[in-house]
Amino acid sequence: DTAVSQTPKYLVTQMGNDKSIKCEQNLGHDTMYWYKQDSKKFLKIMFSYNNKELIINETVPNRFSPKSPDKAHLNLHINSLELGDSAVYFCASSQDGTGGLNEQYFGPGTRLTVT
Amino acid sequence: AQKVTQAQTEISVVEKEDVTLDCVYETRDTTYYLFWYKQPPSGELVFLIRRNSFDEQNEISGRYSWNFQKSTSSFNFTITASQVVDSAVYFCALSAYGNNRLAFGKGNQVVVIP
Repeated sequence: DTAVSQTPKYLVTQMGNDKSIKCEQNLGHDTMYWYKQDSKKFLKIMFSYNNKELIINETVPNRFSPKSPDKAHLNLHINSLELGDSAVYFCASSQDGTGGLNEQYFGPGTRLTVT
Repeated sequence: AQKVTQAQTEISVVEKEDVTLDCVYETRDTTYYLFWYKQPPSGELVFLIRRNSFDEQNEISGRYSWNFQKSTSSFNFTITASQVVDSAVYFCALSAYGNNRLAFGKGNQVVVIP
């Protein structure tokens, strides 16, 4: 069984479009995250939700909006896509809320290409 | 703020050689957690190990071993008798107690040549 899943795996779209990436975890974890990995492989946190509540909101353009309908799901919606949004987006989850103690388990990633 | 430095960007080794990946971290917190992740060419991120700041015991898991030294703020990772399947990018990461924001290093690209 897949622990953290993301759809779609690949997303190719044009500038100006709006797109969503979905994430689901079946680990029973309380906390979920979105990370962005750029072309140089650098990983940076974007958002974190604990029990559907936003707890981390890094300096991310407000065109990016996360939504957590329940603690097993965290979706990422991106408005007015720009070329610079091209990256791999990873969803992750961990057991604890804000402790920092537990390892995070990552989804397979969504490669977003904006043309 | 947490910072992780992985100075070696790409390391090439011949199969069966050992390879050590250096990780140096900076934090003002007294309680913190260190992690290593592996990202193979297929792209997923695989958790390898977590170490708490108050536990300086080294760890060995098969061909993998980790050396944690608080005195030098380092958490180094060694792959013994490397295999082609070890070819991947390896990330060191750090989080502080009370803050689940993971700070990643830039990664070490390991290439194992058969």
